[in-house]
Amino acid sequence: EVQLVESGGGLVQPGRSLKLSCLASGFTFSNYGMNWIRQAPGKGLEWVASISSSSSYIYYADTVKGRFTISRDNAKNTLYLQMTSLRSEDTALYYCARIGTFFDYWGQGVMVTVSS
Amino acid sequence: DVVMTQTPVSLSVSLGGQVSISCRSSQSLVHNNGNTYLSWYLQKPGQSPQLLIYKVSNRFSGISDRFSGSGSGTDFTLKISRVEPDDLGVYYCGQGTQYPRTFGGGTKLELK
Repeated sequence: EVQLVESGGGLVQPGRSLKLSCLASGFTFSNYGMNWIRQAPGKGLEWVASISSSSSYIYYADTVKGRFTISRDNAKNTLYLQMTSLRSEDTALYYCARIGTFFDYWGQGVMVTVSS
Repeated sequence: DVVMTQTPVSLSVSLGGQVSISCRSSQSLVHNNGNTYLSWYLQKPGQSPQLLIYKVSNRFSGISDRFSGSGSGTDFTLKISRVEPDDLGVYYCGQGTQYPRTFGGGTKLELK
């Protein structure tokens, strides 16, 4: 069974940093592209970043480019999102999701709240 | 960026009824490889989104044949027949043809 489990969220002050993790199981992690998608409270879905299976290709939304870094460790079956210079508008539930041309499996999400 | 426009924003349906949700993209979603990466997701209350349909009309594993997707180019439709209580929630279309990936604003399906 495919499982994606996010962690690392919490309350953080504006301007600070936070690193999210997504532990994958039930499939060969190194064969799949992975993604971060977020959802602000009461809002729709916003794609954040994608990374290819070997980390050769990485893409970001303009809203996070230069502040967020997506990465992965295929030996640890883990996807990461390093978030710096956090803003109030980054407050959201962050999901990791598999593939990229469509998103077939999603984690349960991890909440990030940016507030002083 | 490709803008995805979903209509209607909300929909009321009786159990057993049929509904259609429209999704239009601001640019063609036909990829250079010939595939059209339009997908549909359902987010039930308090849950993560789940994939229903990918590449316009392909049902994901375990998805009922009551769900069907159609369309081409910039115009797409999701049809749900014989609506059941478990179908209620917010439906999103999404495109995977170009970066940045984008989603429609969502259509909330409620009981009449």
